Amino acid sequence: GDSVTQTEGQVALSEEDFLTIHCNYSASGYPALFWYVQYPGEGPQFLFRASRDKEKGSSRGFEATYNKETTSFHLQKASVQESDSAVYYCALGDRNSGTYQRFGTGTKLQVVP
Amino acid sequence: EAAVTQSPRNKVAVTGGKVTLSCNQTNNHNNMYWYRQDTGHGLRLIHYSYGAGSTEKGDIPDGYKASRPSQENFSLILELATPSQTSVYFCASGDWLANTGQLYFGEGSKLTVL
Repeated sequence: GDSVTQTEGQVALSEEDFLTIHCNYSASGYPALFWYVQYPGEGPQFLFRASRDKEKGSSRGFEATYNKETTSFHLQKASVQESDSAVYYCALGDRNSGTYQRFGTGTKLQVVP
Repeated sequence: EAAVTQSPRNKVAVTGGKVTLSCNQTNNHNNMYWYRQDTGHGLRLIHYSYGAGSTEKGDIPDGYKASRPSQENFSLILELATPSQTSVYFCASGDWLANTGQLYFGEGSKLTVL
């Protein structure tokens, strides 16, 4: 079945560092791809989505580009802040039928001042 | 603002007991979902629904039932709870045809089965 792989379980950075969280997907079709962020004690929140090859999604300084060739949707931010500390989830969903979204295992980002 | 409300927020149950987790959404979304969150597994889909009266199995439905009596409400039922079902459960709603297709999550229900 369709799946999402996030290779980093945890990432530790200092403020103003550059962030990359890797997301690769496996799908039989042409999925839409999502990033969500989860703060402690809360449910996941939508960050952004991309639904076609080479489309860039972005929000709050975070961005990712859909790459169909490498089946990737890596999350990046140029300069992280302590307030970005959270768990980040990559997800995929069927772009046409509106069924469920499948999530990766999540990456916990800790940013120290 | 889209709103998904879960109850109870915390629940302690005994093995073999029945547990019902409830979810209410005021978004008028057709689709609703139940996920569980576990360290090392992320969010895994248990059941979902396309509208009132419909329920569908997700990736890990064994040991769970779901009920969607109305557009607003979606329940997850554990008829015979087991310690392996100790987890944090999230309800979500979404409407693919509207805007981004994003899911709106509740704040979670922490279930401990002793």
